[in-house]
Amino acid sequence: DVKVTQSSRYLVKRTGEKVFLECVQDMDHENMFWYRQDPGLGLRLIYFSYDVKMKEKGDIPEGYSVSREKKERFSLILESASTNQTSMYLCASSLRGREVKNIQYFGAGTRLSVL
Amino acid sequence: EDQVTQSPEALRLQEGESSSLNCSYTVSGLRGLFWYRQDPGKGPEFLFTLYSAGEEKEKERLKATLTKKESFLHITAPKPEDSATYLCAVRARYNNNDMRFGAGTRLTVKP
Repeated sequence: DVKVTQSSRYLVKRTGEKVFLECVQDMDHENMFWYRQDPGLGLRLIYFSYDVKMKEKGDIPEGYSVSREKKERFSLILESASTNQTSMYLCASSLRGREVKNIQYFGAGTRLSVL
Repeated sequence: EDQVTQSPEALRLQEGESSSLNCSYTVSGLRGLFWYRQDPGKGPEFLFTLYSAGEEKEKERLKATLTKKESFLHITAPKPEDSATYLCAVRARYNNNDMRFGAGTRLTVKP
């Protein structure tokens, strides 16, 4: 079974702190994704990476950066956390390419509260 | 711009009361439509992929169908354990990698 593991289930941070969210997958997937999920808005893509050290902006990249130094690990960084970044953050991974069967598999999520 | 709209936002059913969830989409050439189930406090879990209009997929009490403009997730004789949020997502033909998600339908099945 595909396993996507997010390092923290719950995080509470202060405004202005630098926050790191970590995600690891064990299926040798090329693609990894970071989404945030808010009530009524669904999942919105922040960034994705299709290879080591490669990244592309999603729909809402402002205030976030990412790092992918190894194929299995994708980190989301909040440079200076703000209260409007309080949300559920979901990491996903998939195979790369045109195949529709390249399903995205999700981690359990990190619920971040910024006070 | 690709768009996915799910309705209703929330649905409450009695156990055994069949119903359908709707996912309407606009996309520049559909490569695939995906259904996921999400339990509270957990990540989405993959259910189905549909590729072309007329296609149907089934899993236990769930059946997903696809037309050129929308997909339905039919739930037959639901049980309380079917309570979850159901998410729909599309991947466009020009897009190799990411998907566009709807906001989801929160289903509650009462015993």
